[in-house]
Amino acid sequence: AQSVSQHNHHVILSEAASLELGCNYSYGGTVNLFWYVQYPGQHLQLLLKYFSGDPLVKGIKGFEAEFIKSKFSFNLRKPSVQWSDTAEYFCAVKARAGGSARQLTFGSGTQLTVLP
Amino acid sequence: GAGVSQSPRYKVAKRGQDVALRCDPISGHVSLFWYQQALGQGPEFLTYFQNEAQLDKSGLPSDRFFAERPEGSVSTLKIQRTQQEDSAVYLCASSEQADTQYFGPGTRLTVL
Repeated sequence: AQSVSQHNHHVILSEAASLELGCNYSYGGTVNLFWYVQYPGQHLQLLLKYFSGDPLVKGIKGFEAEFIKSKFSFNLRKPSVQWSDTAEYFCAVKARAGGSARQLTFGSGTQLTVLP
Repeated sequence: GAGVSQSPRYKVAKRGQDVALRCDPISGHVSLFWYQQALGQGPEFLTYFQNEAQLDKSGLPSDRFFAERPEGSVSTLKIQRTQQEDSAVYLCASSEQADTQYFGPGTRLTVL
């Protein structure tokens, strides 16, 4: 079974600071990787995803993530955060095995607080 | 367009009561998932449907949990004889052919 680790539980930044949130997964096979965001009072929304191809993927609102297969990592980055980026961020993995292994396995989340 | 909807948004139950949580997926989405999210944690998989077939229920924590999707659209998650440890947010997600999953707002269940 796969697992996902998000090492930072709470990150506090000032506006315009750069962001990097760590995500590591454990699974021996091929995976699809996702970052979801949950703004206060709202439901989970997809930020970006990686299925194959270019390991640097760009998502909405200026976010990007890089898949490094050798490190089993999929870190989320943004060069300059805004107050409106305050939210909880979840990394998730889906095994691309055959059969019915279609569910997402989530990390425990990172709460990002951006100070104005 | 319309996203995934869930009802009720909030549910308070006394220990021992049965509850039913509803999910309306995005129209035409074949796959439907239920997740449980405890406070301060990420969502955890409960069960998965492809159309009306429940293909995976390995995440259901006990036989008090039951899910159905009889016509391949709306799904209901039922919890019998609720316990305090069942208190959580229950999330529903749908997707086309198990691709990207789109989540609903969740139902927050509190068991007293």
